Amino acid sequence: EADIYQTPRYLVIGTGKKITLECSQTMGHDKMYWYQQDPGMELHLIHYSYGVNSTEKGDLSSESTVSRIRTEHFPLTLESARPSHTSQYLCASRETGISYNEQFFGPGTRLTVL
Amino acid sequence: DAKTTQPNSMESNEEEPVHLPCNHSTISGTDYIHWYRQLPSQGPEYVIHGLTSNVNNRMASLAIAEDRKSSTLILHRATLRDAAVYYCITRETSGSRLTFGEGTQLTVNP
Repeated sequence: EADIYQTPRYLVIGTGKKITLECSQTMGHDKMYWYQQDPGMELHLIHYSYGVNSTEKGDLSSESTVSRIRTEHFPLTLESARPSHTSQYLCASRETGISYNEQFFGPGTRLTVL
Repeated sequence: DAKTTQPNSMESNEEEPVHLPCNHSTISGTDYIHWYRQLPSQGPEYVIHGLTSNVNNRMASLAIAEDRKSSTLILHRATLRDAAVYYCITRETSGSRLTFGEGTQLTVNP
């Protein structure tokens, strides 16, 4: 079992609200990721981090922001939610190293913006 | 990362073997072949990976073509719990980012 957690699992919120999706892992992994996935569609990387105080934008442009103040915590924030942000958000982490390290995913947060 | 091509969907019967193909004709010599799967309403999970030799683990086997331009994920006895989207990804081991394609939706019939 992967020790990576996301809260909330489901969120329904009105347009214009500020929201923060939480992601935590207890494996001490340096690398963490956020993916966005619409129903039945592929995952798109929107943010990643190589360690504390490191954040980078991913392959898909996103209006969300992330922070990495602690190794275990990688929250994603939307300052003003819009219906176009409705999607599933998946967090993942991976150990750093030249040998193979699998990527562990959290259960996801399903966000609906009305 | 090399682009991969997989069938959109496949069907299998329970307790029968399943062979899920993946083409990666532009794979480079240092790219590993990774397989992940995503069960309904869950995040993806690691299945198996390999470089050149065939690989076996408790979940599946990975057969890699000699020219490495294609590979096949083998589930030896499909169960209903194996119904999922299976993603084939090529990436350098030290590379940081997994790029997911559309994957193959596997349906397992009782």
